[in-house]
Amino acid sequence: GENVEQHPSTLSVQEGDSAVIKCTYSDSASNYFPWYKQELGKGPQLIIDIRSNVGEKKDQRIAVTLNKTAKHFSLHITETQPEDSAVYFCAAVTGNQFYFGTGTSLTVIP
Amino acid sequence: NAGVMQNPRHLVRRRGQEARLRCSPMKGHSHVYWYRQLPEEGLKFMVYLQKENIIDESGMPKERFSAEFPKEGPSILRIQQVVRGDSAAYFCASSQDVGNTEAFFGQGTRLTVV
Repeated sequence: GENVEQHPSTLSVQEGDSAVIKCTYSDSASNYFPWYKQELGKGPQLIIDIRSNVGEKKDQRIAVTLNKTAKHFSLHITETQPEDSAVYFCAAVTGNQFYFGTGTSLTVIP
Repeated sequence: NAGVMQNPRHLVRRRGQEARLRCSPMKGHSHVYWYRQLPEEGLKFMVYLQKENIIDESGMPKERFSAEFPKEGPSILRIQQVVRGDSAAYFCASSQDVGNTEAFFGQGTRLTVV
C-alpha cells in the first residue's frame, strides 16, 4: 500500500518568514494530493490540493508543488502570520483511499 | 450548505459501555471516511463507507467496533464495551466521489472513557 512520509515533524519560523513542509509517497498510482490544516480542538480543514496533471498550484500565500517523478510534494507558506500556527497534514490519494502523513506542527513566532 | 456534522462533540463513557458516534456528510456526498486521532498524533484510517456499503474496513479493529452508513440518516461508528484505550478524537470526512475529489472533515467527537 501507499506510504506517506512528512517532514519536519515540528517547525518554528519568525512571523513574515516562509515555511516549507515536504512529503514523499511511494505509490505511483496516487493522483491527488490534498493538504489539511488542523487547529487545536478542531477538525482538519482542507487548505489546498493538487492533482497529478499539475506541477504547481498557488492560492494567495500558500502554494503546493508536485514532482511525480521523484514522488514528492511540498507545501509553501509565505509571509507567515501567527494564525498560520497549526498542525499540517499532507495526504496522497490512491483509488478510494486517503493516506495521511504524520503531521507537521508549525509555530509562527510573532 | 452545511459542512460535515458530527455529534456529539464530546462523549464520556464508563468502561464497558457503548459509544455511538454520528456523522452527517455534506449534502450530496455519498462517501464517508472515519479516522481516529490520539493526542499529538496523526490521523489513523478506520473505515470507508458508501451508502449502505462498507468499502474498506481494514483500519478498524475486528472486535467491538462497527460502522454503518444507512440509506437514510447519518453514518454511525459504534464501539461496544469501551476500554480506556478507546479514548481519542474520532473524525469523519465525506466526499462526493471516489479518489480524486476533495474530502471535508467534521469537527470530531472526543471520546473519553473513564
